[in-house]
Amino acid sequence: GQNIDQPTEMTATEGAIVQINCTYQTSGFNGLFWYQQHAGEAPTFLSYNVLDGLEEKGRFSSFLSRSKGYSYLLLKELQMKDSASYLCAVRDPGDSSYKLIFGSGTRLLVRP
Amino acid sequence: NAGVTQTPKFRVLKTGQSMTLLCAQDMNHEYMYWYRQDPGMGLRLIHYSVGEGTTAKGEVPDGYNVSRLKKQNFLLGLESAAPSQTSVYFCATRSRGIEGNTIYFGEGSWLTVV
Repeated sequence: GQNIDQPTEMTATEGAIVQINCTYQTSGFNGLFWYQQHAGEAPTFLSYNVLDGLEEKGRFSSFLSRSKGYSYLLLKELQMKDSASYLCAVRDPGDSSYKLIFGSGTRLLVRP
Repeated sequence: NAGVTQTPKFRVLKTGQSMTLLCAQDMNHEYMYWYRQDPGMGLRLIHYSVGEGTTAKGEVPDGYNVSRLKKQNFLLGLESAAPSQTSVYFCATRSRGIEGNTIYFGEGSWLTVV
């Protein structure tokens, strides 16, 4: 089966650091993606991990442990504009379609 | 989201009506996907295509049909709309090559079935 779990909601303070966790159990694995989605808009790409370890990109970092089926997205120096939903997605090679399987998303609220 | 265009953006349907959502891309991508997004449920795959003339079922295909007659277009059809199909629909595309790690989303189509 396919199962991707994320917390439903998180709240953090402007300027702080927040970590959004994602655990997954999928039949296949070919990379893990993080997307940001503001209300009423399409998801936008944040990061991609296919090997274990930490990938850093500006204020955002993403970590992957394939043996544990675990990833997290780390947001530093939070800004009000970071209030959004964050979607964890696993790419399943499956039948060569490489489709993305999404978690339900974590809604992050950044307070002043 | 330049390159992936969805039409229409908003639509209200009566139960039992039919309609077609169009996804058009100008990036020459092989893979195209239709997702629906409902509150608290994330994005769920309806149907997908790995190339012109091919389609396959995703996670929630019932009540929908698709066609990919031309590489640049992926159509999603609702033959007899039901209130349960009220949702936001997103089309997505990716290339087959090394740059295929990036998936491009359309801006979404808001569909209400009354």
